[in-house]
Amino acid sequence: GQQVMQIPQYQHVQEGEDFTTYCNSSTTLSNIQWYKQRPGGHPVFLIQLVKSGEVKKQKRLTFQFGEAKKNSSLHITATQTTDVGTYFCAGPRADSWGKLQFGAGTQVVVTP
Amino acid sequence: DAGITQSPRHKVTETGTPVTLRCHQTENHRYMYWYRQDPGHGLRLIHYSYGVKDTDKGEVSDGYSVSRSKTEDFLLTLESATSSQTSVYFCAISGQGAQELFFGSGTQLSVL
Repeated sequence: GQQVMQIPQYQHVQEGEDFTTYCNSSTTLSNIQWYKQRPGGHPVFLIQLVKSGEVKKQKRLTFQFGEAKKNSSLHITATQTTDVGTYFCAGPRADSWGKLQFGAGTQVVVTP
Repeated sequence: DAGITQSPRHKVTETGTPVTLRCHQTENHRYMYWYRQDPGHGLRLIHYSYGVKDTDKGEVSDGYSVSRSKTEDFLLTLESATSSQTSVYFCAISGQGAQELFFGSGTQLSVL
C-alpha cells in the first residue's frame, strides 16, 4: 500500500544552524502538506504544495515539492528554539479520496 | 484556531469497558477525522466522515466504531477497550477533504 516516509526521525540542531528534513512517498501525490506539532500540542497545518517542483517560503522555512511529486523537503535556516517540535508531511491516499496519510514525523530538538 | 473541541481531554478506563470520545466543530466543515498518535507511528487514521451518516474506515479501524448524526459532532467509540488502545486521539476537520486539516487538542486515553 501507499507509504509516506520521513527522514531523519530525529534531528538535533544547534541554534543558528540550518537543517533539512525529507519526505518520500511510494506513490505520486496530488499534493503534499506539512504540519508542525509542538511538544504536548496538536498538529498545526503549515503549508500545502501542489505543483511539480513548487517551492514556497514562510520566513525561515522553505518547502519544496519534487519534480516527480513523490518527495518533498523542509529546510529551516538559522534555527531558533521556537522551531522545536515534530514536523509531519502528509499526502492524500491514492486509493481512497478524502483520506490523508501522514509520515511518522521528524522530531526536532534545538540546543541553545 | 478553528472551532473544534474534543472531550474528554483525559480518560482512564479499564480493559473491557466501552468508551466514547466526542469531537464537536463549529466550522460547518464537511469532513471529520479521527486519528491516533503513538510514538514512532505518527498519526494513523482510524475513521473519517465525509458527511452526515457517511463514514469510512481508515488504516487502524479494528476495535473502533464511529457515528455522525449531525454535521458538528463526530463520535468515536471503543466497544471494549484494550490496553493496545492506550493512545492520544486527535479529531480533525477539513472543508475540502484531505486538505488543510485543523486538529483538536487531543484526548489522552489510558486503558488499564
